[in-house]
Amino acid sequence: GENVEQHPSTLSVQEGDSAVIKCTYSDSASNYFPWYKQELGKGPQLIIDIRSNVGEKKDQRIAVTLNKTAKHFSLHITETQPEDSAVYFCAAIGTGGFKTIFGAGTRLFVKA
Amino acid sequence: DTEVTQTPKHLVMGMTNKKSLKCEQHMGHRAMYWYKQKAKKPPELMFVYSYEKLSINESVPSRFSPECPNSSLLNLHLHALQPEDSALYLCASSQDYGTSAYEQYFGPGTRLTVT
Repeated sequence: GENVEQHPSTLSVQEGDSAVIKCTYSDSASNYFPWYKQELGKGPQLIIDIRSNVGEKKDQRIAVTLNKTAKHFSLHITETQPEDSAVYFCAAIGTGGFKTIFGAGTRLFVKA
Repeated sequence: DTEVTQTPKHLVMGMTNKKSLKCEQHMGHRAMYWYKQKAKKPPELMFVYSYEKLSINESVPSRFSPECPNSSLLNLHLHALQPEDSALYLCASSQDYGTSAYEQYFGPGTRLTVT
């Protein structure tokens, strides 16, 4: 069935460093790839997304890249801050447009 | 405004109780979702409503009963739950669903504990 693999499961960086989270999807029909940030005790918050007709998208310190051929997409956070500490989920949505297939999540720790 | 609200924030119920979770959005979205999230896991889809009609039921046990009274409200009625149903229940909404993928916005969730 459809699957999204996410790595690493845990990532610890020093404040100011960059963080990269990588995902691989299995359904070649997937055409929309959102990223969510979930802080403790809160619901997932959409932070950036990319569609299959775009290779890269940037929003301030956050960027996402997509390689459709390899079925890889990645989240890049630059100049990390302690408030970036959270769990990050990648996801893929394919044909039908309703079912979001989530990765297992990456717990990011940013040390001050 | 991209806010989805959920009440209550926390709920403790016994296995013989009946309770309801509520979700509300005022973004004019026509698709609404219920998800279940266990600790340290991603959200799992339970139900999808589109234009106030149940479109998707991901083989959820009948002790969970969704209801969409109008386009802004979504309820989840709970009855005879089991301790393993304890989880964070998330509501989400999107502009639509079907032919294209739309951004989903999540509420803060209801933390449910079944004793």
